[in-house]
Amino acid sequence: QKEVEQNSGPLSVPEGAIASLNCTYSDRGSQSFFWYRQYSGKSPELIMFIYSNGDKEDGRFTAQLNKASQYVSLLIRDSQPSDSATYLCAVDGKKSSGDKLTFGTGTRLAVRP
Amino acid sequence: DADVTQTPRNRITKTGKRIMLECSQTKGHDRMYWYRQDPGLGLRLIYYSFDVKDINKGEISDGYSVSRQAQAKFSLSLESAIPNQTALYFCATSDFMGDEAFFGQGTRLTVV
Repeated sequence: QKEVEQNSGPLSVPEGAIASLNCTYSDRGSQSFFWYRQYSGKSPELIMFIYSNGDKEDGRFTAQLNKASQYVSLLIRDSQPSDSATYLCAVDGKKSSGDKLTFGTGTRLAVRP
Repeated sequence: DADVTQTPRNRITKTGKRIMLECSQTKGHDRMYWYRQDPGLGLRLIYYSFDVKDINKGEISDGYSVSRQAQAKFSLSLESAIPNQTALYFCATSDFMGDEAFFGQGTRLTVV
């Protein structure tokens, strides 16, 4: 089982819709969870992080964490064509897995005008 | 200037050659990482370092070595490059809390 799993997509949504991106992780000791956005040929950039169960909102973005189910998601409201990118889920496993940052394979999002 | 700088940005090398990718940072972070990215495989961790004396292997360290010359510098070496090491390589840094990781611009390496 991979440490961090994501559906590779592509996930295609119309402009203005809600995009829902999902991620599961295997290490129950994981403490910190991150969503990075990566445009083609560019470096990943952080858009959200979450540490506690529940929801965390920042503008059009909402991160959701459920540690019991080992599940983290990212919702993008009012999706725009500029949101078209690959979204990488990352998990910091802390001491239980060497305290390193592990990424999923990413989900490619396409927002149709 | 970028907070995390990678050199070179692009490199084509021949099979069997030794090559070094360099990374320097001005963030003052203790933690530095080297990842490679291949289509469909995401970012895979090669090596990571939590300080100058603490270097750890990641999930795909075979064929690679690293050197942490200073807090600000972390180099990745391919002792004898092979074609399946053709990839996009990223250096990243984070603070001691392991929070947000800041990435360099990436190095596109092609081994022919």
